[in-house]
Amino acid sequence: GAVVSQHPSRVICKSGTSVKIECRSLDFQATTMFWYRQFPKQSLMLMATSNEGSKATYEQGVEKDKFLINHASLTLSTLTVTSAHPEDSSFYICSASAGLNEQFFGPGTRLTVL
Amino acid sequence: AQSVTQLDSQVPVFEEAPVELRCNYSSSVSVYLFWYVQYPNQGLQLLLKYLSGSTLVKGINGFEAEFNKSQTSFHLRKPSVHISDTAEYFCAVSDTWGGKLIFGQGTELSVKP
Repeated sequence: GAVVSQHPSRVICKSGTSVKIECRSLDFQATTMFWYRQFPKQSLMLMATSNEGSKATYEQGVEKDKFLINHASLTLSTLTVTSAHPEDSSFYICSASAGLNEQFFGPGTRLTVL
Repeated sequence: AQSVTQLDSQVPVFEEAPVELRCNYSSSVSVYLFWYVQYPNQGLQLLLKYLSGSTLVKGINGFEAEFNKSQTSFHLRKPSVHISDTAEYFCAVSDTWGGKLIFGQGTELSVKP
């Protein structure tokens, strides 16, 4: 089946710094990638949808200047958390789909902001 | 707007017992329904999906789900669970194939020996 990877799997950073998370589709071309965040013991909340070569579409309440999403190629999307604060600590999960197709999920990135 | 409700936050069950995890959705348009499993500190793995056709859907690991349009439900079942089924289970809905997913709150299945 289709494989999606995320890097890093875990990251710890200081408050005020920026962190970049990569999401890659390893064996297919992902025209659309989705970014979710998940707080402990809670569900996944969609943050944004990105189509290759286009600006991301953010969900209501998600700050686009804080969570920068880039989808520059058909196999890579990045999420940058700018000026991270402890409340940004969460599990970030990406998914990818090729055209109108099933989403395949990455293994997630655990972000801890000190 | 679409929404998904998983009626049970936690379901404890003994090994080899049957289990049902409940999911109800609200949608005014055609729906695509999914069940995912999440093991600790991992991403989501698709168990099964309903797109159209037969209302009984069979998935991996012995799980199945039945789409009931009149009751707007998509409950997940397994006739005999294993310790390894212990995980978090999410029901999700989409009104577009390949589009954004709306997830339920999740159900923690805990299988005890």
